[in-house]
Amino acid sequence: AQSVTQPDIHITVSEGASLELRCNYSYGATPYLFWYVQSPGQGLQLLLKYFSGDTLVQGIKGFEAEFKRSQSSFNLRKPSVHWSDAAEYFCAVGAGPAGKLIFGQGTTLQVKP
Amino acid sequence: DVKVTQSSRYLVKRTGEKVFLECVQDMDHENMFWYRQDPGLGLRLIYFSYDVKMKEKGDIPEGYSVSREKKERFSLILESASTNQTSMYLCASHTPSGTGSYEQYFGPGTRLTVT
Repeated sequence: AQSVTQPDIHITVSEGASLELRCNYSYGATPYLFWYVQSPGQGLQLLLKYFSGDTLVQGIKGFEAEFKRSQSSFNLRKPSVHWSDAAEYFCAVGAGPAGKLIFGQGTTLQVKP
Repeated sequence: DVKVTQSSRYLVKRTGEKVFLECVQDMDHENMFWYRQDPGLGLRLIYFSYDVKMKEKGDIPEGYSVSREKKERFSLILESASTNQTSMYLCASHTPSGTGSYEQYFGPGTRLTVT
């Protein structure tokens, strides 16, 4: 069965420091992978997506993610975190013909000044 | 820009009440989804619809039903609200055409409290 795991429930980084959020997936075929961000009290906003091609994907707000098939991972990175990046981040994999997504449990990012 | 709107941001209901959560999208998307979001559990799919009057159960449909009479509107119904249905409810829409396959667009969410 398809699944997504985000091993880190909560991460705290200092402003200006680099960030990496981990995501591991289980899926039989080539996956469609997504990272979404949810600011407090808001809906989800798409950060970036991977369908095929270049395994390093650039997204909005300076984020990037790398697809590694051998490790079944799709980790999200940012070289320098800003206080406004504090939010909850969700990794997801597309599953089935109706456009369903399977989400990970989410990682809450706290940014220290 | 795709816009998905939900009828209420915050809702407080009593146990046993019938509750309607409304979702409207303006992009003529075929597919619409209802999720609930709980801390530590991520988003879990309640129901989805791939066409008017068509619906399928998601992973946690118990205690919920849905209605899709028009393409742009997808309603989630709690037949008899219970305290364990206190949660954040998120609606999303999606079109299967083009390279954006699987990309879902989300509404702002409705935080429902059942007392």
